[in-house]
Amino acid sequence: GQNIDQPTEMTATEGAIVQINCTYQTSGFNGLFWYQQHAGEAPTFLSYNVLDGLEEKGRFSSFLSRSKGYSYLLLKELQMKDSASYLCAVRDRGYGQNFVFGPGTRLSVLP
Amino acid sequence: EAGVTQFPSHSVIEKGQTVTLRCDPISGHDNLYWYRRVMGKEIKFLLHFVKESKQDESGMPNNRFLAERTGGTYSTLKVQPAELEDSGVYFCASSQGHEQFFGPGTRLTVL
Repeated sequence: GQNIDQPTEMTATEGAIVQINCTYQTSGFNGLFWYQQHAGEAPTFLSYNVLDGLEEKGRFSSFLSRSKGYSYLLLKELQMKDSASYLCAVRDRGYGQNFVFGPGTRLSVLP
Repeated sequence: EAGVTQFPSHSVIEKGQTVTLRCDPISGHDNLYWYRRVMGKEIKFLLHFVKESKQDESGMPNNRFLAERTGGTYSTLKVQPAELEDSGVYFCASSQGHEQFFGPGTRLTVL
């Protein structure tokens, strides 16, 4: 079966660091993606991991362990505008095919 | 460069009526995807086009849903006849590489 788990909600303080975890069980694996979605808006791409390890992109980093079916998104120097839902998604078959999304983690950044 | 656009942004129809959603992908993107998010649930894959061909339609819920992409440019998703459980936000995305660009979505309400 296809299953992706993320915490439902998280709260952090402006300027802090937060880690959002994602575990997955899918029939195949061809990449893990993180998206940010503000309320009422389209998801926007944040990061992509296909090999184990850490990918860093400014204030955002994403980590993948394929053997553990685990990823996390790390957000540093949190800003109020980072309050949003963060979606973990796995591409479970070949290039360009079926994406399986997690339920999303709603992050609230407090002053 | 224009992003992915969707029309309409909102649609309210009665059960049994027909609705057609439209998606215009980013110019030059061969891959086009349809997704749906029902209230409180995760984003679910519906289908994937490569140019005008349906690559994967395993996520289409039933034969009341028909997607087309004539000419390999814009795509339409028709729901006929609509049922109450079809309510949700329908997202379209396009890609040429591994990053998918999402449109703003169409919020469909079936009364």
